[in-house]
Amino acid sequence: DQQVKQNSPSLSVQEGRISILNCDYTNSMFDYFLWYKKYPAEGPTFLISISSIKDKNEDGRFTVFLNKSAKHLSLHIVPSQPGDSAVYFCAAGGDDKIIFGKGTRLHILP
Amino acid sequence: NAGVTQTPKFQVLKTGQSMTLQCAQDMNHEYMSWYRQDPGMGLRLIHYSVGAGITDQGEVPNGYNVSRSTTEDFPLRLLSAAPSQTSVYFCASSSGTLEAFFGQGTRLTVV
Repeated sequence: DQQVKQNSPSLSVQEGRISILNCDYTNSMFDYFLWYKKYPAEGPTFLISISSIKDKNEDGRFTVFLNKSAKHLSLHIVPSQPGDSAVYFCAAGGDDKIIFGKGTRLHILP
Repeated sequence: NAGVTQTPKFQVLKTGQSMTLQCAQDMNHEYMSWYRQDPGMGLRLIHYSVGAGITDQGEVPNGYNVSRSTTEDFPLRLLSAAPSQTSVYFCASSSGTLEAFFGQGTRLTVV
């Protein structure tokens, strides 16, 4: 039973355009949500997070939106850059642990 | 500042062998956890710990044991390796509800 779902295994976006990665969750008890970025042969690195009491958090080119009623969050990257090509994991935290989704591979096209 | 250090980076085991994956962090984090990453499956939580002496099961705990005798170390033990445990293993640490820091991973192959 997946608690954190990323339904798009991959996404291709033109350089300079907006990348939107989506994530759904099933457990309304999660306290906070995070996005991680992963390059091949490296560990995941933290990108941005949002508390369950907020609906938006912005950090430079990255913005995370949270819709609690829909149990949905999204990561917006604008403008997209070649170095953004990676696997992005959505994660949800609560009850002392963090649960990850399956990831979305983002390809930034020249 | 080393962060989270995992050893070894690569390991090949025969079915039935046992081994311990080491994880150490120098950030004085209370929370540590182990994940495995498999193609198409994302990162799945194996075991986690909220402090020395306290551990709990994650999503896929079967076949793995953990202990947390110190704040710094959180080893993962495979008692009798199986081919289904072929994976990339990541250790992570965090301070409560803040972001988790990950190690570089251990690539394990069980033949």
